[in-house]
Amino acid sequence: TQLLEQSPQFLSIQEGENLTVYCNSSSVFSSLQWYRQEPGEGPVLLVTVVTGGEVKKLKRLTFQFGDARKDSSLHITAAQPGDTGLYLCAGPKHNTDKLIFGTGTRLQVFP
Amino acid sequence: EPEVTQTPSHQVTQMGQEVILRCVPISNHLYFYWYRQILGQKVEFLVSFYNNEISEKSEIFDDQFSVERPDGSNFTLKIRSTKLEDSAMYFCATGPRADTQYFGPGTRLTVL
Repeated sequence: TQLLEQSPQFLSIQEGENLTVYCNSSSVFSSLQWYRQEPGEGPVLLVTVVTGGEVKKLKRLTFQFGDARKDSSLHITAAQPGDTGLYLCAGPKHNTDKLIFGTGTRLQVFP
Repeated sequence: EPEVTQTPSHQVTQMGQEVILRCVPISNHLYFYWYRQILGQKVEFLVSFYNNEISEKSEIFDDQFSVERPDGSNFTLKIRSTKLEDSAMYFCATGPRADTQYFGPGTRLTVL
């Protein structure tokens, strides 16, 4: 069974701090997606990483896909209250396009 | 920027009633999905739809569930006889390819 474990589960920080969220699996994924979800809303796609070792930047967010394509990280620089939300990694089950979602990291950024 | 839209935003129904949840995909997307999220739990896959047929379905997607694209644009999820445990947020997702899925805002289904 392919599982995606995220850490930490909860993170509370002050505005301006940096943080890293991790997404780990014992299985290889062909790609990984990162989403952010607000309460009562749908997940919003932030990025898709496909190539092992790939690094993608989206303003203050930096996403990295592990060389072996079993893990990924999301680093946020100078966090802002608007970054508050549930961050989810997700990847397709082997040989399908069915997304398996990670356990989630709930981020709270205080002003 | 194009978005996936879903209607209604909230549906309240009596147990045993049929409900139809509607989704308007992003134009030119070829892959369509339904997911659900029970309160406090993970988003879980229900069904994928490509080339006008189901490509994969989960064990949750039993005979009470069906999907179709009735007019080539809308994508619907029908639950024939709702149960209490069907109460959840239902998300439609669409993508230009299989590895990129854009989610709609969801329909909150409450079964009484």
